[in-house]
Amino acid sequence: KAGVTQTPRYLIKTRGQQVTLSCSPISGHRSVSWYQQTPGQGLQFLFEYFSETQRNKGNFPGRFSGRQFSNSRSEMNVSTLELGDSALYLCASSSYPGPQFFGPGTRLTVL
Amino acid sequence: GNSVTQMEGPVTLSEEAFLTINCTYTATGYPSLFWYVQYPGEGLQLLLKATKADDKGSNKGFEATYRKETTSFHLEKGSVQVSDSAVYFCEMKTSYDKVIFGPGTSLSVIP
Repeated sequence: KAGVTQTPRYLIKTRGQQVTLSCSPISGHRSVSWYQQTPGQGLQFLFEYFSETQRNKGNFPGRFSGRQFSNSRSEMNVSTLELGDSALYLCASSSYPGPQFFGPGTRLTVL
Repeated sequence: GNSVTQMEGPVTLSEEAFLTINCTYTATGYPSLFWYVQYPGEGLQLLLKATKADDKGSNKGFEATYRKETTSFHLEKGSVQVSDSAVYFCEMKTSYDKVIFGPGTSLSVIP
């Protein structure tokens, strides 16, 4: 089985721009979660989608949004980028009740 | 509420030393517990898991036992190698499918 893939792997944007990150889960996995990882804050949960519905949401402002398509692929969008949004964004897929399988992440740098 | 507490480190050990990374949790119900490892520049990988009390997860020489009486899931390895240098995350998945990660413990193993 192919693993979780994330595109792009690296991204450089400037403040005020918006960005869309993509995640393709492992085939058959219907749950996709997104995390932000920074040296200062560690691993923080953004949101989880299951069967195209947002099931859980972390404590992030409304600038962070996501969606899931019928094939379980997911996208995450960040609007009006701030310097503090620079981070590694990780996507993970799972099939209940198993563990999560993580992608390699997208490294976002905001200048 | 639900939470995961994990020894933060950084931890520095000599090769062949014994490793313990503490993880304790607070949860209602009966959560599943996981340890993930993140090597430099990569996403998280599942290391081991335990889904009920007294279960022992093991992989690559690492072990952790789900102790309900002490609400703990400490990670141990009898003899660490330089290649074990990474960040280790304890994770809890509650009965309601809510996922909570510990802050991560950075391990450096020196020859």
